[in-house]
Amino acid sequence: SQELEQSPQSLIVQEGKNLTINCTSSKTLYGLYWYKQKYGEGLIFLMMLQKGGEEKSHEKITAKLDEKKQQSSLHITASQPSHAGIYLCGAGIIQGAQKLVFGQGTRLTINP
Amino acid sequence: GAGVSQSPRYKVAKRGQDVALRCDPISGHVSLFWYQQALGQGPEFLTYFQNEAQLDKSGLPSDRFFAERPEGSVSTLKIQRTQQEDSAVYLCASSHTRLLWDTQYFGPGTRLTVL
Repeated sequence: SQELEQSPQSLIVQEGKNLTINCTSSKTLYGLYWYKQKYGEGLIFLMMLQKGGEEKSHEKITAKLDEKKQQSSLHITASQPSHAGIYLCGAGIIQGAQKLVFGQGTRLTINP
Repeated sequence: GAGVSQSPRYKVAKRGQDVALRCDPISGHVSLFWYQQALGQGPEFLTYFQNEAQLDKSGLPSDRFFAERPEGSVSTLKIQRTQQEDSAVYLCASSHTRLLWDTQYFGPGTRLTVL
């Protein structure tokens, strides 16, 4: 989707290193979701952010929402092989509409 | 079951054939969504149901695509006269309520290959 741009498109990091994935919207965000997808599988829900400045953490993954910049970041601390996969941001960009638009995904590879 | 299930997981069709893809949402979930995911891309919205009512079908790419949820639970996405460009993974998602921004939980998808 051109409305949501993710960067980088792919990322290779050494196990134990920190990393950040960014998601930028060209439109006002009404809810921002982060999902993880492994090949051949569906999307696994990670976190949802709604308010500007909101920050949520789950285990070693932290997501933040900068409403003014229409941007969200996903940060993984001390990466592990289990973190490998495709990370997708999805957002509501139409007020009152349920549907989500998604970025193209960031493919994360963790090298031992 | 505990999650969203979809069947079949894989479908190979010859160009021109009709296909039907099934989605079983999480029990009790009011909202149901269909998305299409092309290789290397993020999912793209197709259609949305609230119970049995199809409230948004703005993402259906052509009149060959048809979706239904007659009893407000199981949904079927039907594609008539399949074309090669229909090859993609079709994802179904459900959410508990009709509230905006209620978390959508996804099934494993059906990978459709049109030869």
